[in-house]
Amino acid sequence: DQQVKQNSPSLSVQEGRISILNCDYTNSMFDYFLWYKKYPAEGPTFLISISSIKDKNEDGRFTVFLNKSAKHLSLHIVPSQPGDSAVYFCAASAGNQFYFGTGTSLTVIP
Amino acid sequence: DTGVSQDPRHKITKRGQNVTFRCDPISEHNRLYWYRQTLGQGPEFLTYFQNEAQLEKSRLLSDRFSAERPKGSFSTLEIQRTEQGDSAMYLCASSSRGTGGNYGYTFGSGTRLTVV
Repeated sequence: DQQVKQNSPSLSVQEGRISILNCDYTNSMFDYFLWYKKYPAEGPTFLISISSIKDKNEDGRFTVFLNKSAKHLSLHIVPSQPGDSAVYFCAASAGNQFYFGTGTSLTVIP
Repeated sequence: DTGVSQDPRHKITKRGQNVTFRCDPISEHNRLYWYRQTLGQGPEFLTYFQNEAQLEKSRLLSDRFSAERPKGSFSTLEIQRTEQGDSAMYLCASSSRGTGGNYGYTFGSGTRLTVV
């Protein structure tokens, strides 16, 4: 049973535009959410996090939005750069383990 | 190097053989995690250590799998009598809680296991 879902397996965006990656979850007990970026042949790299007491967290070009009532999480990247091309995973936790989505492959076109 | 190190990077083994992977976490991190990732999926939790204590195990971790962290530093993951379904990327991560609950795992580059 997939508790964290990323329904878009891929996304293409022009350089300089906004990239919006979406994530939905089913478990209302999740209280911590993370986004990871993964390049081929490397482990996932932590990008940004948000706790359930917030609805927005910003770090440079990256902003994560949390809508608890909709059980929806999104990552905004603006402006998008070619180096942002990677697979992005969202993850959610209610304790010590994280549940990951299946990932969205982002391609930023120069 | 202050990252999480995993060894080996790749392992090809014959079905039925035993394999062991090693993970060296970031030295000041007391929490260590093992995840498994198959093609097209996100990482799936296997087990978690706080210092040397193994505090959680997933039901994915069958009897053929065992993990240890004997001195609360490096960890090993052993798979006995490997099966083709064990072929996956095995990821190790470490963490320590930061202030304000803002923390994240640091993952290693993984060990890719292929069982032939």
